[in-house]
Amino acid sequence: GENVEQHPSTLSVQEGDSAVIKCTYSDSASNYFPWYKQELGKRPQLIIDIRSNVGEKKDQRIAVTLNKTAKHFSLHITETQPEDSAVYFCAENDMRFGAGTRLTVKP
Amino acid sequence: DAMVIQNPRYQVTQFGKPVTLSCSQTLNHNVMYWYQQKSSQAPKLLFHYYDKDFNNEADTPDNFQSRRPNTSFCFLDIRSPGLGDTAMYLCATSNRQGYGYTFGSGTRLTVV
Repeated sequence: GENVEQHPSTLSVQEGDSAVIKCTYSDSASNYFPWYKQELGKRPQLIIDIRSNVGEKKDQRIAVTLNKTAKHFSLHITETQPEDSAVYFCAENDMRFGAGTRLTVKP
Repeated sequence: DAMVIQNPRYQVTQFGKPVTLSCSQTLNHNVMYWYQQKSSQAPKLLFHYYDKDFNNEADTPDNFQSRRPNTSFCFLDIRSPGLGDTAMYLCATSNRQGYGYTFGSGTRLTVV
C-alpha cells in the first residue's frame, strides 16, 4: 500500500512554544487526513482531521494544514503544555498511519 | 460509557497455542478494524470489515484470521502465535471510511 512519511520522529519543546509535525503522502486520490494522539499505555484518540476540500482547520490550540499540490499535511500545536506530551500519528484515509512523533513538552 | 470494548485487556499465551481476542461496539458503526501495534511503532492494519465485507491486508500473515458474526462483534484469531506476535492489538470502528476512528483500549498479547 501507499506509505505515509512522518517527521520528526521525536520532538522536544519548551512549555509555551509551538510544535509542528509534518506528514507526506503519495496517493493523490487521498481525501481524508486525521491526526491521533496516543499517551503512554493508552489508546490512540482522534484529535483533529481535515478533508481535501479545505486547506486549514483549527480547534483551539491545535490546527492542521493541508497542501494538496505538495501532498503534505501538518499538525500545529501552539502554547504547548506538559499534558501535550504523547506520541502523535498522522493517517491517510484512516487506513495507514505514519510512524509517529514522540512529543515531549518540558515544563 | 466505553463504546469500543476489547477483551481481555491482557493475554499471555504459549507459543503455538491458539488465542482469540474480542471486540464489541455500541456505536453501530459499519466499519471495524484490527490493528497490531508493536512497541514504539505505528499501528499496522491487519484487516477491516465494511459491514460484512472482509478486507485482508496483503502482508497480514495467514496465521491471523478474523470473524464478524454481527455488527457489534469482531474477533481476531491467531492460530499458532509466535514470539513475534507479541504486541498490542487494537480494535477500531468508524461509521464509514473517512470519518475517523474510535479505538478500543486494546489487548496486550504476550507470547511466551
